[in-house]
Amino acid sequence: DVKVTQSSRYLVKRTGEKVFLECVQDMDHENMFWYRQDPGLGLRLIYFSYDVKMKEKGDIPEGYSVSREKKERFSLILESASTNQTSMYLCASSYLQAYYEQYFGPGTRLTVT
Amino acid sequence: SQQGEEDPQALSIQEGENATMNCSYKTSINNLQWYRQNSGRGLVHLILIRSNEREKHSGRLRVTLDTSKKSSSLLITASRAADTASYFCATASGSRLTFGEGTQLTVNP
Repeated sequence: DVKVTQSSRYLVKRTGEKVFLECVQDMDHENMFWYRQDPGLGLRLIYFSYDVKMKEKGDIPEGYSVSREKKERFSLILESASTNQTSMYLCASSYLQAYYEQYFGPGTRLTVT
Repeated sequence: SQQGEEDPQALSIQEGENATMNCSYKTSINNLQWYRQNSGRGLVHLILIRSNEREKHSGRLRVTLDTSKKSSSLLITASRAADTASYFCATASGSRLTFGEGTQLTVNP
C-alpha cells in the first residue's frame, strides 16, 4: 500500500525558531511536493523536487527552503519561523510526471507563537 | 485567482441523495483530478480525467469534463454519511497541479 508519512501531526514553535518538517514516501516516486493549506486560500505549492538534490520554487517559496538528499525523503525548512507561517503543511509525491496522481501525507498542523 | 474554482463552496444533502460539485478553470490543461479530504487529514486522490476524455466513472463517482467550457463536474450517487468531506479539483498544466479551494460536502444521516 502506498504510503507518505510526515514527521509530526501537530507542532508548536516559537517565533524565530528554525523548524524542520520531514516527509518520507515508500513508493520510489521521483516527484515530491510541499504545500500549505489555509482557509479560503486552498492548497498553495511551496516547493517541489523532481529528483534527488533537485528543487524548484512553487508559488510561495519565501521564508522556506527544502532539502532532498535521498529519493524517499523531502524536508521543508523554516529558517526563522514567523506567526504568518502558522498553517497546515501537506507533503505529497507522484510518479513520473508531476501532474499525475499525487499521494498525500496526513499533514502537519504547525502553530508559531 | 485559483486555476480551479469549485462551486458550490458548501453543500448539505441527505443520505441517499446525489451530490454534484462543479469546477471551472481558465487555461488549457493536460488532465483534471478530483481529491477528497476528511477533516484535518491529507488529500486522497479520487479520479483523473484526461483532456481528451469527456466522462469517467469509478464506483459511485462520475466525472465529466467539458474543455470548451473549461469546466468539470463530480457526481457522487447514493451518498453516505461517510462521504462527508471536502472535495477539491486540481488542474494539471505545465509541470504541476493547481488546486481549487474546495467544496465542503455534508451528508446528513
